[in-house]
Order: sequence, then C-alpha cells, then structure tokens
Amino acid sequence: EVQLVESGGGLVQPGGSLRLSCAASGFNFGNYWMTWVRQAPGKGLEWVASVEENGGEKFYVDSVKGRFTISRDNAKNSLFLQMNSLRAEDTAVYYCAGGIFRPRWEYWGQGALVTVSS
Amino acid sequence: EIVLTQSPGTLSLSPGERATLSCRASQSVTSSHLAWYQQKPGQAPRLLIYTASSRSTGVPDRFSGSGSGTDFTLTISRLEPEDFAVYYCQQYGNSLWTFGQGTKVEIK
Repeated sequence: EVQLVESGGGLVQPGGSLRLSCAASGFNFGNYWMTWVRQAPGKGLEWVASVEENGGEKFYVDSVKGRFTISRDNAKNSLFLQMNSLRAEDTAVYYCAGGIFRPRWEYWGQGALVTVSS
Repeated sequence: EIVLTQSPGTLSLSPGERATLSCRASQSVTSSHLAWYQQKPGQAPRLLIYTASSRSTGVPDRFSGSGSGTDFTLTISRLEPEDFAVYYCQQYGNSLWTFGQGTKVEIK
C-alpha cells in the first residue's frame, strides 16, 4: 500500500522557521518526482516546490523562492521542506505528492497544517 | 506563467445528471501535461485524469477528459452521490506547475 505521511506542521510566529517531512512507503521513491502543494484555509490548491528523482533539479513558485528549500533523502524514502522567514500568507495545509512523470502526481499524503500567527 | 481559469465556479446538479466542467488556459498547454483532480472535504486531492483524457487507476468510466490547446473539459456522464466534490485542472509547462481555482459540484 502506498503511503505518504507528512509531519512537522504546527504554529509558528511570523519570521520563524519550520521543517516539514514526508515519509514515503509502498512505491519506489527514488524513481518519482516529489512535490509540495499547499492549500490555504477555504482556498484552492497551489503548487509550492518540486524536486526531480535524484534531487538535482528543484523548482519553486515565485512567492517562496529564497525562503523555502525542498530536498529529499532517497536512502530514507523521505522528502523535506525547510521553510524560513514564514509569513501569515504561508498558512495552509501542506501536501506531499509524488508522480512517476514530471507533469502530474498520483500519490498524495493527508497533509500537515502550518499556521503562521503571532 | 500559464493561468488556468475554470468555469463555472459552482455547478448545482442532481444525481444522475451530466456535469461538464471547463478549464481554459491563458496560453497553449501541451495535452500530455494537463491533469484533473478531485478533492472532497477534509481529504487530499485525487488524480482523476492525466494527459488530458486518460483515466487514472481505479477511476470510473463515467469520468472523461477532452480538449487541446487552451480549452479542456472534464465530463461526468451521470453523477453519483460520491462525485459531489471540488475539481481542479492542473498543468505543467516551463518548469512551473499551476492549478485552476476549482469548480465545486454540489447537490441541487
């Protein structure tokens, strides 16, 4: 059974940092593009960042460039999102997602809530 | 950046009816890079359609996708109770991924 389990969410003050983790199982993690997608409360889906299979190429939405870093550890079947200089508008459920092909994602986690508030 | 605009924002239909959802792109999208997702309240999105018209594993054949260029459509031939949800189109191009704002299909 495929599983993606996010952890590391929580309440953080503006300007603070948080690191999200995603533990993968049930599929060949090292062969998949991995991505973070977020959803602000009551809003739609927003792509945040993606990393290719070997961790080389990384891509970010403009609003998080220079603040967020996506990384992966294929030996541990894990995906990470380091989030620095957090803002209120970063408040959202963050989903970990994976796809065998670059354009789309067939596997999704259940999400981790990140709340940025003083 | 390619902007995806979905219409209508909300579709109010009864079970058994046909649903037609539109996704229009601000510039041409490669069909192989267009996908549709379903999201129910409190759940993660689920991949329904990829490459504009291919159904993902386990997706019932009442769901179909079509279109090319800047105009894409998701059709649900006969709505079942479990189909009432929010649907998003999504595209990939030039190392960027974008979603439409979603169409909510609600029970009339």
